[in-house]
Amino acid sequence: GAVVSQHPSRVICKSGTSVKIECRSLDFQATTMFWYRQFPKQSLMLMATSNEGSKATYEQGVEKDKFLINHASLTLSTLTVTSAHPEDSSFYICSAKRTGGVYNEQFFGPGTRLTVL
Amino acid sequence: AQSVAQPEDQVNVAEGNPLTVKCTYSVSGNPYLFWYVQYPNRGLQFLLKYITGDNLVKGSYGFEAEFNKSQTSFHLKKPSALVSDSALYFCAVRDRQAGTALIFGKGTTLSVSS
Repeated sequence: GAVVSQHPSRVICKSGTSVKIECRSLDFQATTMFWYRQFPKQSLMLMATSNEGSKATYEQGVEKDKFLINHASLTLSTLTVTSAHPEDSSFYICSAKRTGGVYNEQFFGPGTRLTVL
Repeated sequence: AQSVAQPEDQVNVAEGNPLTVKCTYSVSGNPYLFWYVQYPNRGLQFLLKYITGDNLVKGSYGFEAEFNKSQTSFHLKKPSALVSDSALYFCAVRDRQAGTALIFGKGTTLSVSS
């Protein structure tokens, strides 16, 4: 149990286009999901905290108008990279916190590799 | 503010030898501590966590970690390394308050030679 999926796993897009990444908790409900960004050979940096039914909380330095987060249900959060540019190319990873779970454990998705040409 | 330090960018060890990947943390109060492993172009895989109780935590694939409150450390260890253990390892900390995200260290690349 406690599986988190991400779709797509890999996406290549042209500069200026928008890309949507989905994060789903497959067998549990997640009131809270987190979006991380990872550059090559670097650590995961928290971008935002996504709460079901409310606005996301963004970390300092993350543009909320560029990285749109929607947490419309207890099993789905989406991250939309708007007007993507090459510097947005990165590995995006989500995690989901199981509602009511022991110690509020988080489960990670497999990541989405975004390449902006 | 919470922070996690992994002082080594890379750890090299021969197969069969014991390995240690270091982690120290700085938080207020008593945190939850985690270790994750990441293989190339893959997401994170959970190894183990410290919540409370016994300071020695045993996890997946023969890994263990010891919580040392006085030294604020949570080093990852394995008695006998395998080549397949070669990967990127992340230490992470989380506040005990509900809804807070994990804060990750920069990661340590473990290379096990045959």
